[in-house]
Amino acid sequence: DGGITQSPKYLFRKEGQNVTLSCEQNLNHDAMYWYRQDPGQGLRLIYYSQIVNDFQKGDIAEGYSVSREKKESFPLTVTSAQKNPTAFYLCASSPGDRGVAGANVLTFGAGSRLTVL
Amino acid sequence: EDQVTQSPEALRLQEGESSSLNCSYTVSGLRGLFWYRQDPGKGPEFLFTLYSAGEEKEKERLKATLTKKESFLHITAPKPEDSATYLCAVPLFLGSARQLTFGSGTQLTVLP
Repeated sequence: DGGITQSPKYLFRKEGQNVTLSCEQNLNHDAMYWYRQDPGQGLRLIYYSQIVNDFQKGDIAEGYSVSREKKESFPLTVTSAQKNPTAFYLCASSPGDRGVAGANVLTFGAGSRLTVL
Repeated sequence: EDQVTQSPEALRLQEGESSSLNCSYTVSGLRGLFWYRQDPGKGPEFLFTLYSAGEEKEKERLKATLTKKESFLHITAPKPEDSATYLCAVPLFLGSARQLTFGSGTQLTVLP
């Protein structure tokens, strides 16, 4: 079955450490996204990528980094510069622009919950 | 400023008690309004897309409607399994492209 796989599901980090969250999709989607979700708040966009080897900052990119070396993979690194990294992180993908930018249905992974100790 | 706002933040219903959730938006040139359902600890699942005022879509006990300023998600005779957080989203400009911007959600609890 096609879908998005995020790992790990739970991750604990000490302050000052970088951690990388994995996101893999087998939907043959062109676009991939990372969102952050905090309690009582909506999803906020961290980074997105419309095509391999290209990505753009979202609303809250500071303290995060990404790469898009393969169409199927879009890993997110939470760096030590991120002051409040404890959150639920969601990866998503969509078929791509199709001329109506941002109006595609997103398919989400199950999420990764990061806790800073 | 373009934005999307959902109300109420939380809603508790008795099984069978119909109600509506609201999503209001301010955006120039709406390119679709999306509804998602999110269960605790999971990623959101797509429900509906609406593109023009007057449009309606239904799925089981859910019906989504759209006006020029807001969307409603009507829940008819809800069951406990309808308990979830319901999110709406609209594409807003971020730099040179539109990206989905989500409201903060309505947490629905349906009591048996």
